[in-house]
Amino acid sequence: KNEVEQSPQNLTAQEGEFITINCSYSVGISALHWLQQHPGGGIVSLFMLSSGKKKHGRLIATINIQEKHSSLHITASHPRDSAVYICAVGGGAGTASKLTFGTGTRLQVTL
Amino acid sequence: NAGVTQTPKFQVLKTGQSMTLQCAQDMNHEYMSWYRQDPGMGLRLIHYSVGAGITDQGEVPNGYNVSRSTTEDFPLRLLSAAPSQTSVYFCASSYSGLGVLSTEAFFGQGTRLTVV
Repeated sequence: KNEVEQSPQNLTAQEGEFITINCSYSVGISALHWLQQHPGGGIVSLFMLSSGKKKHGRLIATINIQEKHSSLHITASHPRDSAVYICAVGGGAGTASKLTFGTGTRLQVTL
Repeated sequence: NAGVTQTPKFQVLKTGQSMTLQCAQDMNHEYMSWYRQDPGMGLRLIHYSVGAGITDQGEVPNGYNVSRSTTEDFPLRLLSAAPSQTSVYFCASSYSGLGVLSTEAFFGQGTRLTVV
């Protein structure tokens, strides 16, 4: 069993839909990252969080430390949101320099 | 502001050849790392460095060497390429370790390597 599990693996939505991507992890952490990887390969950091909720534009990330679960929400989705979204965790004992990554959720938003 | 510059973007090698993937950052970050990304798997850490002159192994270090002679540069060397090293490679940098909260990670554009 992977230490970081994402669901769903693939997601297709129509423009305007509300989207939720989930991330569950099994290790103790101090930091959780959400990353976005566009076709063509570049990876950008969307959020870092350890508690509560963060919002940036149409993106919202939440985390529940007790349940070891995080969600990434996209409101009013747009075709330009089509990408792979990756959850990564780190900061457990002895892992301050390392992240463990999920396999990603491939999102396709159609018109 | 260039961020993290990774070269080359694409490379084809023959089995047994050696090559160096270049990574440079201009943000004065202490922490740099190399990952490989394979289908169906999350990014896996190859090697990382917490500062000039300091490197350590990650999850999948075999077949790769690194050095960190300057803060800016962190090259990854493939000593004798094997088909199992066919992958997409990413370099990343951050102010400090990526497990530390509030440390944003900056990634290069990736190198798609094929070993035939």
